[in-house]
Amino acid sequence: EAEVAQSPRYKITEKSQAVAFWCDPISGHATLYWYRQILGQGPELLVQFQDESVVDDSQLPKDRFSAERLKGVDSTLKIQPAELGDSAMYLCASSLSGGTTDTQYFGPGTRLTVL
Amino acid sequence: GQQVMQIPQYQHVQEGEDFTTYCNSSTTLSNIQWYKQRPGGHPVFLIQLVKSGEVKKQKRLTFQFGEAKKNSSLHITATQTTDVGTYFCAGQLYNFNKFYFGSGTKLNVKP
Repeated sequence: EAEVAQSPRYKITEKSQAVAFWCDPISGHATLYWYRQILGQGPELLVQFQDESVVDDSQLPKDRFSAERLKGVDSTLKIQPAELGDSAMYLCASSLSGGTTDTQYFGPGTRLTVL
Repeated sequence: GQQVMQIPQYQHVQEGEDFTTYCNSSTTLSNIQWYKQRPGGHPVFLIQLVKSGEVKKQKRLTFQFGEAKKNSSLHITATQTTDVGTYFCAGQLYNFNKFYFGSGTKLNVKP
C-alpha cells in the first residue's frame, strides 16, 4: 500500500539554527499539505500545495518558515531560525486532487525538538 | 480563531462501555472527516460525512452529521483496548479547501 514518506522522523536542534523537513507524497497525488501538531492539539494547516502552486499559506509564519514543491512532487519545509515554540510534530499529508471529497493520507511525521 | 471545537478532551472508559465524542462548528460545514491517531502515530482517515443528517456505520463505530451541518459525533459501542487513541474531527468550510481540525478526544480503555 502506498504511503506518504517523511524524513527525518526526529530532529533535535538548538534555537536559531536552521532545520529542513522532507516529504514525498503518494504517487499521483496532486495536493500536498504541511501541518503542525502541538502536543495535545489537533493538526493545524501551515501550507497547502496544488501541484507546485501554493493555494493556502495563511497560517505559515513567513518570517521564518518557507515551503516549496518545485516539481509538484516532493516538498521541503524549512525553518530558519528555529525558536523554542517551534517544538512540535510536523505532519505531511497528500490527497488525490484536494477536492471536497478527498481523503488526506498522513505521513509518519517529523518530531522537532528545539533546545 | 478556532473554527471547530471538540469535546470531551479526555475520556476514560472500562472495556465494553460506550464512548462518544462531539464536534461543533460555529459555521456551517460543507463536510466533516474523522481521523484516529494512535499513541505515537499519525492521523488515519476513518470516514467522511457530506449530507445533512447523514449517519454512517463502521462495525462498532457510528458517525453522525447534524441537520444544520454544524455538528457531528462519533459513537463507539462496546469499546475494546484496540480503540485507544485520539479521535479528531476535521471540518471543511464552503468555498475553502482547507480542513479545520478539532483539538481531539483522547480515549483510554481499561481492560
